[in-house]
Amino acid sequence: EPEVTQTPSHQVTQMGQEVILRCVPISNHLYFYWYRQILGQKVEFLVSFYNNEISEKSEIFDDQFSVERPDGSNFTLKIRSTKLEDSAMYFCASRAEGIGTDTQYFGPGTRLTVL
Amino acid sequence: DQQVKQNSPSLSVQEGRISILNCDYTNSMFDYFLWYKKYPAEGPTFLISISSIKDKNEDGRFTVFLNKSAKHLSLHIVPSQPGDSAVYFCAASARGFGNEKLTFGTGTRLTIIP
Repeated sequence: EPEVTQTPSHQVTQMGQEVILRCVPISNHLYFYWYRQILGQKVEFLVSFYNNEISEKSEIFDDQFSVERPDGSNFTLKIRSTKLEDSAMYFCASRAEGIGTDTQYFGPGTRLTVL
Repeated sequence: DQQVKQNSPSLSVQEGRISILNCDYTNSMFDYFLWYKKYPAEGPTFLISISSIKDKNEDGRFTVFLNKSAKHLSLHIVPSQPGDSAVYFCAASARGFGNEKLTFGTGTRLTIIP
């Protein structure tokens, strides 16, 4: 069964460093998302991406964040200068296009630890 | 922001019995609802969804009920099995209004007692 994959599973970085989290969405999906979950809190929406542009972003997704689909398979989230409060699980999700394809399928997540 | 609420942080159910997980929402624009199951250190796994034009959707042991007037939905698992022990998240979106971001509840930890 096709699934969303994410790398790395765990990333440790120093405050102020740049990190790139990688995702490979399900192959025929065209809508891509990033969510995050800070320990003990809800899963929160960060950004949605379609047709090579951001379609929606939350207030969390400030200028320090960016997303990119550098090729036909990868979808990345970049945090330019990490802060302690960016420590969280980051989940990538994707969904297909078309009628009856509203379900977002999630990857296993990347645990980001900012020291 | 408490647009989606799961008021029971935990629930314990005997194996073979029915598990009922509840979710309330406040945003009238939500028109699509999903249940996800999550194990520790894994991503949310899709279980079942329901559109606001329906009041019930069934898939095997899982049934979701939607009460739009009460802004309430529930997930029934019958019969409950030990592998069902996980955290269950309710999520909602306003896709008919062009807003497909998912808003999640805080989750309910379900424990199935053998």
